Amino acid sequence: SSELTQDPAVSVALGQTVRITCQGDSLRSYYASWYQQKPGQAPVLVIYGKNNRPSGIPDRFSGSSSGNTASLTITGAQAEDEADYYCNSRDSSGNHAVFGGGTKLTVL
Amino acid sequence: QVQLQQWGAGLLKPSETLSLTCAVYGGSFSGYYWSWIRQPPGKGLEWIGEINHSGSTNYNPSLKSRVTISVDTSKNQFSLKLSSVTAADTAVYYCARAITSVAWYYYGMDVWGQGTTVTVSS
Repeated sequence: SSELTQDPAVSVALGQTVRITCQGDSLRSYYASWYQQKPGQAPVLVIYGKNNRPSGIPDRFSGSSSGNTASLTITGAQAEDEADYYCNSRDSSGNHAVFGGGTKLTVL
Repeated sequence: QVQLQQWGAGLLKPSETLSLTCAVYGGSFSGYYWSWIRQPPGKGLEWIGEINHSGSTNYNPSLKSRVTISVDTSKNQFSLKLSSVTAADTAVYYCARAITSVAWYYYGMDVWGQGTTVTVSS
């Protein structure tokens, strides 16, 4: 079982704001990173660290963290944001990486 | 622009050893951790393990007894071997570059290979 827990599915109306969350004890010590994966494609890193976006990632994607919960927020969701989103961090020992189970985002 | 290109056998029989290689083009090999991740059909991502340019490795505890990750710095390549495969090892396998701060304070995989579909079937 994953040490990071995500809601299996979330939906958002076009243009609205959505928050996808990830819970785990190790998130008290380590920041989460977030990945977007569309069908048949490799994952793409969208957020890492406190709130860092790799080059090319729109600024509507942002990250935050509080206690044992990390969040990915999409402000003004677009149709192209419909995808699976995975959180990722280290386990409590720091020696291993772990992924959350993934959240399927539907843009209505 | 760093690119990862991976290759290896796509069809294996039970008990055989999976072998994949990932080549790094267009960037430094040192200063990063180089990772393997897999995704069974219709399921989520699973971290397999990682290696740095010095050969220091970390493995998923659930796979550790069967996994070996190695590095060839002369070729800017790293490789995955997974022994005694079963149908449960059927998945798309990805290689990726991991960026991290000291002590993993922040961590993320910012460059990914194209993925290799590996099927285990008798």
